[in-house]
Amino acid sequence: QITLKESGPTLVKPTQTLTLTCTFSGFSLSTSEVAVGWIRQPPGKALEWLALIYWDDDKRYSPSLKNRLTITKDTSKNQVVLTLTNLDPVDTATYYCVHRKPVPGHWYFDLWGRGTLVTVSS
Amino acid sequence: DIQMTQSPSSLSASVGDRVTITCRASQGISNYLAWFQQKPGKAPKSLIYAASSLQSGVPSNFSGSGSGTDFTLTISSLQPEDFATYYCQQYNSYPLTFGGGTKVEIK
Repeated sequence: QITLKESGPTLVKPTQTLTLTCTFSGFSLSTSEVAVGWIRQPPGKALEWLALIYWDDDKRYSPSLKNRLTITKDTSKNQVVLTLTNLDPVDTATYYCVHRKPVPGHWYFDLWGRGTLVTVSS
Repeated sequence: DIQMTQSPSSLSASVGDRVTITCRASQGISNYLAWFQQKPGKAPKSLIYAASSLQSGVPSNFSGSGSGTDFTLTISSLQPEDFATYYCQQYNSYPLTFGGGTKVEIK
């Protein structure tokens, strides 16, 4: 059974750096084709994809946030870490960790963590 | 970036109704499209991938269709637990993008 759980601060000040950790179980991020991503959702708004890290350490970022985002993995700890620098109140959102499931010819985000609400405020 | 446009943004329907939600991509994405359901205060749940393939465990009253730029999610007979917000997402190319969502409310 695959599970993902996000952890990190709930309140961060503007200009600070946010570090979120996704701790997962039920799969290995060293298995071919597997990936873990981050998606956020501001209160009352739509979903926004942020970043994705593959089993081979390849990384993809949202171009609009690329200069502020870093995604890394620790395969031995079954963790993926997302950092977002220079926070602004518009970064207030629920941040979700997601598992990318490969299927022949396709892939999709089949499982999501419960999410963690991060508020950016002074 | 590929823009995903959902319509309508909200709709009211009754239990038992047939509901159709449309998702349009700003350029062709073949069938690299997924649908998600989100209930208030909960994480999204995967429903469909590859435009029409049902995620394991998803009831058969959900179906998806389309290819290229135009896609639909259909709920053949709306159940009380189906009242939620639905999102489409393309994974043809980066950046991955979502539609703005369609809220299905009780009439």
